[in-house]
Amino acid sequence: QVLLVQSGAEVQKPGASVKVSCKASGYTFTLYYMHWVRQAPGQGLEWMGIINPTSGTTNYAQKFQDRVTMTGDTSTSTVYMELSSLRSEDTAVYYCARTYMWDDDAFDFWGQGTTVTVS
Amino acid sequence: EIVLTQSPGTLSLSPGERATLSCRASRSISSNYLAWYQQKPGQAPRLLIFGASIRATGIPDRFSGSGSGTDFTLTISRLEPEDFAMYFCQQYGSSPRTFGQGTKVEIK
Repeated sequence: QVLLVQSGAEVQKPGASVKVSCKASGYTFTLYYMHWVRQAPGQGLEWMGIINPTSGTTNYAQKFQDRVTMTGDTSTSTVYMELSSLRSEDTAVYYCARTYMWDDDAFDFWGQGTTVTVS
Repeated sequence: EIVLTQSPGTLSLSPGERATLSCRASRSISSNYLAWYQQKPGQAPRLLIFGASIRATGIPDRFSGSGSGTDFTLTISRLEPEDFAMYFCQQYGSSPRTFGQGTKVEIK
């Protein structure tokens, strides 16, 4: 079955960086794109960006353009999301989620989420 | 970016009742690229509906989606105990993909 397993919870200080991983299994990793979505406590969902794990091509939401880096490793079927210059407002649960197409496709499977606390 | 407004914020209903959730977009969503997700506390969202009206794999037929353009609806025909949760709409027809703020369906 499809599984997206994310790394564990992180606590970071303001100004630091955090790197979250998402390891995929149960499907052909290179046929899908991966997104990152975050959810602040008690808030809604916010799309951060997308990566083609095969080519490394990315498209980031403008809000995160200068602070986020998404990378992929096809040898381990893992994608990573690094967020720098952390501030308290970045405290959130971060999810990876996949789509079959770059555009025009819904997220059919999600990771379990990684809690990042900035304090 | 497209802003999605969900209403009501909270829906208080009893098991067996019908739930009607609304999602309104600030401008027309191309090709009805609108999805609905269910989220329970401490869990990741689960895809229910995509393309405004197509049920995802394994989703019971008591869930249905409708609408086009700027107005979309998620209907749960008869609420089961496991349906009490948070529901989000999301558009994926233009970048950035955006979500509504959610509707909480709670037990009355």
